[in-house]
Parts: sequence; structure tokens; C-alpha cells
Amino acid sequence: KNQVEQSPQSLIILEGKNCTLQCNYTVSPFSNLRWYKQDTGRGPVSLTIMTFSENTKSNGRYTATLDADTKQSSLHITASQLSDSASYICVVTGAGNMLTFGGGTRLMVKP
Amino acid sequence: DADVTQTPRNRITKTGKRIMLECSQTKGHDRMYWYRQDPGLGLRLIYYSFDVKDINKGEISDGYSVSRQAQAKFSLSLESAIPNQTALYFCATSSIRGNTGELFFGEGSRLTVL
Repeated sequence: KNQVEQSPQSLIILEGKNCTLQCNYTVSPFSNLRWYKQDTGRGPVSLTIMTFSENTKSNGRYTATLDADTKQSSLHITASQLSDSASYICVVTGAGNMLTFGGGTRLMVKP
Repeated sequence: DADVTQTPRNRITKTGKRIMLECSQTKGHDRMYWYRQDPGLGLRLIYYSFDVKDINKGEISDGYSVSRQAQAKFSLSLESAIPNQTALYFCATSSIRGNTGELFFGEGSRLTVL
């Protein structure tokens, strides 16, 4: 069964600190992996997409990594800001463009 | 204006009532989806449509029905609402062009069934 597991479930950090969110998947075959940011009460918005051949991709203070061999991805947030407080969702695209969602990591950045 | 618009944004109703959530999009995308989100759980797919004549059940379609009235419109109906259908509902769109599968979500419809 295709699964996407995210850790931690929730995280509290101080403003200015870095953090790393994890995503492990068992989806096969693999097409791509996408990280979404969901602000409270809003719809998710795509942050970045990782394809099979990509190891690292940055989008401002967000850096995503992918290890297709171990089926793991991470999202690193540098110099966190209060506006980074949100849920971060890992979504893996498999066969037939079917999507498998992770449960999300809820990040709270405190001043 | 939002590219993907959901109405209503909030709705409180009683058990047994019929409810319709509507979604319209201006992105010109062919694919539309309805998801449900419960606290502490991930997004779960209810129904999806790859074009006007194509409707498919997702993992949790029981108790729901959909209608794709036009390429830009996709509505979700609860024929007889029950309390465990209380949740946040999201409509999303994607395009087959580019084939990256990026979803564009609406702002959500919060439904409470008493």
C-alpha cells in the first residue's frame, strides 16, 4: 500500500532558528514529490517539487532534499519567521498521477 | 479574485439535510478534485474528475456525490448530512499540461453538521 509518513507531527521553534521536516514514502512507482505549505484556515500552496533525478532544490529559505534510494525527503527551513507557522504537507505522485498525502507537520514559530 | 473559489466558506446544518458545496475555477484546468480534511489527519480524496464527462470515486466517496456541470465547475453534495461529515472541505484543480500534478486549492468550506 502506498504510504507517506511525516515527522514530527508538530514542532515549536523560536524565531530565527532552523528546522528540518521529514517525509518517508513507500509509493512505487515514483513520479515526483511535492511539499505544500498550508496556513491556518487556507488551502495548501506548493512550495517545491522534487523529481527522481533531483537531490536538492531551494526556494528562498526553504530547501528540499530527496533521496530516491531510501525514499526519504526533507524540508529545511532556515532563519525561521513567524509567517512560517503553518502545516507542511508532503505529497507523492505515483502511477497514473495518483497522489498520496502525508499527514503533515504542524510548525509553530514563536517570537 | 481567487483562481479557485469555493462557496459557501462556512455552513452549519442539521443531520439529514441536503448540502451542496460549489467550486468554480478560472485557471482553465481540466482536472478537479474534492478533498476532506479532519483535524490531525491528512487530506483525503472524495471524488475527482479529469474532464466534464469523467467522474471517479476517491477513497472516501460514501455519503457524497458530485456533479461536473462545466469544465470550470465541480460541486459536491451531501444528500443526507451526518455529524461525522463535519470537516473542512477543499476543492482543487490541476492541469494535464506539464504533467507535474501540482494542485491549486480553494480556500476551503468549513461544514458543521449538528
